Amino acid sequence: EVQLVESGGGLVQPGRSLRLSCTASRFISGFTFDDYTLSWVRQAPGKGLEWVGFLRYEAYSETAGYAASVKGRFTISRDDSKSIVYLQMNSLKTEDTGVYYCTRGLTALDPWGQGTLVTVSS
Amino acid sequence: QSALTQPASVSGSPGQSVTISCTGTTSDVGGYNYVSWYQQHPGEAPKLMIYEVTDRPSGVPDRFSGSRSGNTASLTISGLQAEDEADYYCSSYTISSNVLFGGGTKLTVL
Repeated sequence: EVQLVESGGGLVQPGRSLRLSCTASRFISGFTFDDYTLSWVRQAPGKGLEWVGFLRYEAYSETAGYAASVKGRFTISRDDSKSIVYLQMNSLKTEDTGVYYCTRGLTALDPWGQGTLVTVSS
Repeated sequence: QSALTQPASVSGSPGQSVTISCTGTTSDVGGYNYVSWYQQHPGEAPKLMIYEVTDRPSGVPDRFSGSRSGNTASLTISGLQAEDEADYYCSSYTISSNVLFGGGTKLTVL
């Protein structure tokens, strides 16, 4: 079974940066990390899910897409040799507070990691 | 883009059926066969229940089914069980090459 594990969350002041990581188990049940699109989804406390962005696998030349709320501030990248996808978050705002999930796919998100909490506060 | 529209809450008794709607536009729900549904229990990560409007991933009970009519997709849960009590979210791929989620629906099993 594929597993995704996020890390890097924590408390950060508004305007600062934070980088989240998502590590995937690899070569399990036929899953090869670098064959898949990976996405980030976040959830503010007590609120619904919000799609953050995606990064397609290398055959599409690393195509990325972002929600309007984070475009220009957040960047998704990956290191296929380590089976890690990153979410670089710059110019953080209080409204970026929430649990950030890493997940495989774009139109059908499965599986999901357990999430990592990011709190943006002074 | 605004979130897809879902009812805030629905409820049903064990054994009954409930349907959760998800309304969008021709630029998302009505325009692409990429509607998905997710179940989320408190404190847990979401779980994919339906993808591409009607398909069920392996391991999801056939009590869960998806459909669409025009710009509105629906998730129907038949033979309600206590463990179905959770939040449910729809999502759709959009004309802007991104993904929109619905606001979520809290299902209460009476």
